[in-house]
Amino acid sequence: GAGVSQSPSNKVTEKGKDVELRCDPISGHTALYWYRQRLGQGLEFLIYFQGNSAPDKSGLPSDRFSAERTGESVSTLTIQRTQQEDSAVYLCASSGRDGSSGNTIYFGEGSWLTVV
Amino acid sequence: DAKTTQPTSMDCAEGRAANLPCNHSTISGNEYVYWYRQIHSQGPQYIIHGLKNNETNEMASLIITEDRKSSTLILPHATLRDTAVYYCIVRSGAGSYQLTFGKGTKLSVIP
Repeated sequence: GAGVSQSPSNKVTEKGKDVELRCDPISGHTALYWYRQRLGQGLEFLIYFQGNSAPDKSGLPSDRFSAERTGESVSTLTIQRTQQEDSAVYLCASSGRDGSSGNTIYFGEGSWLTVV
Repeated sequence: DAKTTQPTSMDCAEGRAANLPCNHSTISGNEYVYWYRQIHSQGPQYIIHGLKNNETNEMASLIITEDRKSSTLILPHATLRDTAVYYCIVRSGAGSYQLTFGKGTKLSVIP
């Protein structure tokens, strides 16, 4: 597609439920990233995929968070047993080759998650 | 990655050029300067990036000083839709995808 596509754009869930957030990167982009941004705060890196493997998962805040990528395309971020502190916008991004500094990272519009 | 310093806020009259400065005095030779902007409740939008030379695209121009210690993002004819927070970041190395946006500059375009 023309840009990074994320769904759902908004999700309200009850505390303790699981949620899945989907990301469709720019066509042909092999690198894919997930970030989190709490209201009024900066970006928090979560995970980096190169192809279908995740060489850097260092930003995942707990074992309730997991992500997978299949077919070097779509990625899913799963949050189990959601907590109120998980409320944030979850941003997916992609870049053409890898995460090195010469490759521009393009963001999607984000999935707003509210845990009530 | 080198630290960047930007003014907290700026105003610009609609139709005029907006010049947004960024200091990155500790930048090293292999570090790129990137600019993004974020309009409230939207994902960050890539604007432009450069290494040493000045760059121009359909959105903006990027002027990097010869010593590379500072740069200026120029929006040639600001519109109301350019009102946003603008982030200047410096990236280098293998882990440079762990983007860190500072406070940025809140640009207000005034009719």
